[in-house]
Amino acid sequence: DGGITQSPKYLFRKEGQNVTLSCEQNLNHDAMYWYRQDPGQGLRLIYYSQIVNDFQKGDIAEGYSVSREKKESFPLTVTSAQKNPTAFYLCASSIGQFPYNEQFFGPGTRLTVL
Amino acid sequence: GQQVMQIPQYQHVQEGEDFTTYCNSSTTLSNIQWYKQRPGGHPVFLIQLVKSGEVKKQKRLTFQFGEAKKNSSLHITATQTTDVGTYFCAGEETSGSRLTFGEGTQLTVNP
Repeated sequence: DGGITQSPKYLFRKEGQNVTLSCEQNLNHDAMYWYRQDPGQGLRLIYYSQIVNDFQKGDIAEGYSVSREKKESFPLTVTSAQKNPTAFYLCASSIGQFPYNEQFFGPGTRLTVL
Repeated sequence: GQQVMQIPQYQHVQEGEDFTTYCNSSTTLSNIQWYKQRPGGHPVFLIQLVKSGEVKKQKRLTFQFGEAKKNSSLHITATQTTDVGTYFCAGEETSGSRLTFGEGTQLTVNP
């Protein structure tokens, strides 16, 4: 069953702790993305990667870090420097080449920082 | 940077009424995509528009891309309760680059 998996679905952390969100895809997609969604708001791009071992900052990268060591995996670390980390985090992937650039989303991780 | 604005933010309709959401970009787009997110779910791709003035239909859904490639709309005819969710447009300035999402229109349908 091909797709994108994110784990866990719900995550609770204490303030000041770093936390890493998992994102894995078996679609053989080159491009992967991390978005943050706050209640009643759209999707804001945190980081994206168009190829292994390379990634670019999105619109709200401060307080986050990523790595792309494997094509299938694009983990996101929410650091203690992120001032308001409680949100719904969505990972997506795409072939990355026009016109086949529709994005496929994982189920998301809902992070709550206490 | 590029901005994508979407209106209205919320829309409540009676089942059977029509619904339209509008999307405007601050810059000319290479293409625009539409996604639907059901309550508690994740966004799901609906369609991509590429050509100036393009119109595409999917059953009761009609998507349009403006002549200047800076605006787009999604129209749903005779809404059903299954149409409930948030509809996002997302624009791409350069082919193969990142998407910029609008804030979405949250649609509720009263049976």
